[in-house]
Amino acid sequence: QKEVEQDPGPLSVPEGAIVSLNCTYSNSAFQYFMWYRQYSRKGPELLMYTYSSGNKEDGRFTAQVDKSSKYISLFIRDSQPSDSATYLCAPMNTGFQKLVFGTGTRLLVSP
Amino acid sequence: EAGVTQFPSHSVIEKGQTVTLRCDPISGHDNLYWYRRVMGKEIKFLLHFVKESKQDESGMPNNRFLAERTGGTYSTLKVQPAELEDSGVYFCASSQGRDRLYEQYFGPGTRLTVT
Repeated sequence: QKEVEQDPGPLSVPEGAIVSLNCTYSNSAFQYFMWYRQYSRKGPELLMYTYSSGNKEDGRFTAQVDKSSKYISLFIRDSQPSDSATYLCAPMNTGFQKLVFGTGTRLLVSP
Repeated sequence: EAGVTQFPSHSVIEKGQTVTLRCDPISGHDNLYWYRRVMGKEIKFLLHFVKESKQDESGMPNNRFLAERTGGTYSTLKVQPAELEDSGVYFCASSQGRDRLYEQYFGPGTRLTVT
């Protein structure tokens, strides 16, 4: 079983839609939960992170972690064509300082 | 401020040859990480430097891979001899000290093709 499970998609939505991207994980020792965005042929770009359970909002993006169910979510409001990319969840156990990536979900936002 | 840079962007070599990848972290970042993504798989951790010392090399696949970080600045990852399964994209990332270790900033990657 993979430590982090993520639906690869693609997820296709019209411009302006609310997007929900999700991951599940198995390691209860994870404490930081990062979301990265990766455009084609580029490196992952850190979008935002959450520490432990709870919500964090940054502009159109909201990250949510439920440690009791080991469920991680990223919501994108008013999605734009420029949001079309692969979104990677990457939790981390600070004791080991290494990111554990999901496979990534490919998002396509059509104009 | 310059981001993480990697060289080369793409390398094509034959099985059995040697390749050296280079990473220049963000200036002032003590932590440097190597990750790789092989075809169809998720990005996986290879190793972590704190300054010039290897903190964690648990992800290194075998002894054909050698990573160094001279003087705590840039890092190199050598693959010798390369095998077909080494093909993939090798990413380098860096982060500041212990208070910001979760903020890892990635370079654009080196795409390695072994034929």
